[in-house]
Amino acid sequence: QLQLQESGPGLVKPSETLSLTCTVSGGAIRSSSYYWGWIRQPPGKGLEWIGNIYYRGNTYYNPSLKSRVTISVDTSKNEFSLKVKSVTAADTALYYCARHFDLMAWFDPWGQGTLVTVSS
Amino acid sequence: QSVLTQPPSVSGAPGQRVTISCTGSSSNIGAGYDVHWYQQFPGTVPKLLIYGNSNRPSGVPDRFSGSKSATSASLAISGLQAEDEADYYCQSYDSSLSGSVFGGGTKLTVL
Repeated sequence: QLQLQESGPGLVKPSETLSLTCTVSGGAIRSSSYYWGWIRQPPGKGLEWIGNIYYRGNTYYNPSLKSRVTISVDTSKNEFSLKVKSVTAADTALYYCARHFDLMAWFDPWGQGTLVTVSS
Repeated sequence: QSVLTQPPSVSGAPGQRVTISCTGSSSNIGAGYDVHWYQQFPGTVPKLLIYGNSNRPSGVPDRFSGSKSATSASLAISGLQAEDEADYYCQSYDSSLSGSVFGGGTKLTVL
């Protein structure tokens, strides 16, 4: 059974870089033709797609975040990562990683999510 | 402002049927891209409820059904139960954004 788990600092200072990692277990990132994505949810608000990565390294970003976001993959560790630079309070959210069956498809399964708070 | 528009809230009595709409445009739903639905209880991870407009993953009761027409999609819940009270989100692909888009979410209240 495929499982995903986010990890990273829960508190980031304004203007600094948010860094999260998603570790995949129960299946190899490179063994299938899936994409791997990041989604976030500000407290009390809706879901926002951040971006996706294919195991070969092809990336796709939300245009509204593209200038600040980098997603990378490490197939040897079976994990993929998210970096958001120059964060502000508006980046405070629950960050989820998920498997994306196709760029136009659904997300499943999801990780448990990790809360990142941007505050000094 | 979400690319996909959902009503903020809907409600219904136990046993009734409710529908949640998801309205898009010619660059997403209207372009033929599939719509997917998620259910989220407070403090929990979104769960895939419907994929590919009308398909239910294993374990999802057949009380939940999805449909799509033109530039909109709908999630229908029949035989409403108290345990259905949750937030529901639609998701699709948008060609102008070259990525996934979510609706703003709909809170379902069971009266």
